[in-house]
Amino acid sequence: KNQVEQSPQSLIILEGKNCTLQCNYTVSPFSNLRWYKQDTGRGPVSLTIMTFSENTKSNGRYTATLDADTKQSSLHITASQLSDSASYICVVSAVNNNDMRFGAGTRLTVKP
Amino acid sequence: DADVTQTPRNRITKTGKRIMLECSQTKGHDRMYWYRQDPGLGLRLIYYSFDVKDINKGEISDGYSVSRQAQAKFSLSLESAIPNQTALYFCATRGGTYNEQFFGPGTRLTVL
Repeated sequence: KNQVEQSPQSLIILEGKNCTLQCNYTVSPFSNLRWYKQDTGRGPVSLTIMTFSENTKSNGRYTATLDADTKQSSLHITASQLSDSASYICVVSAVNNNDMRFGAGTRLTVKP
Repeated sequence: DADVTQTPRNRITKTGKRIMLECSQTKGHDRMYWYRQDPGLGLRLIYYSFDVKDINKGEISDGYSVSRQAQAKFSLSLESAIPNQTALYFCATRGGTYNEQFFGPGTRLTVL
């Protein structure tokens, strides 16, 4: 079982609407959680990073939340734009672990 | 110019052939990684290197080998390609103030 589970697998919304993507993890002991955006045909690009003590972090229209107790994170996108169409990947690192565990991603499509 | 570059971007080969994927970076980071991405799965770590003299196996290293020719170069080899190695391959570096990962654009490999 993957240590990082994301939902939904895919999502279609209309331009201008908001959406929330979910990430649940079992990686332990937890170090940090990152959200990446991956455009089709490109490598992932970092959106946010949160450590254990951080509950929320924003990057423009993107707001990530973290509940380390329930091991859940969400990425909220406000006033979506066509350019938000991409895969969004949750990545969790454990303390003293040299690699990172990647979720399978949520494929978001924003339609006009 | 891109900070992390990969060559080739696309490659089609036949079963049993030896293939080398190359990665170069200008970020000055010591840490470099190779991942593969398959549909419906998260990125999985193949190999990683913390400096020229340090090579480590990742989650799925069987069937792959790597070479760290210099701080800026990290190549991935498939000694005898097989069809289930068909995937998207990403090189990444890690470093900077927030110890972030920076990904290359990816290499799409098809093994027939």
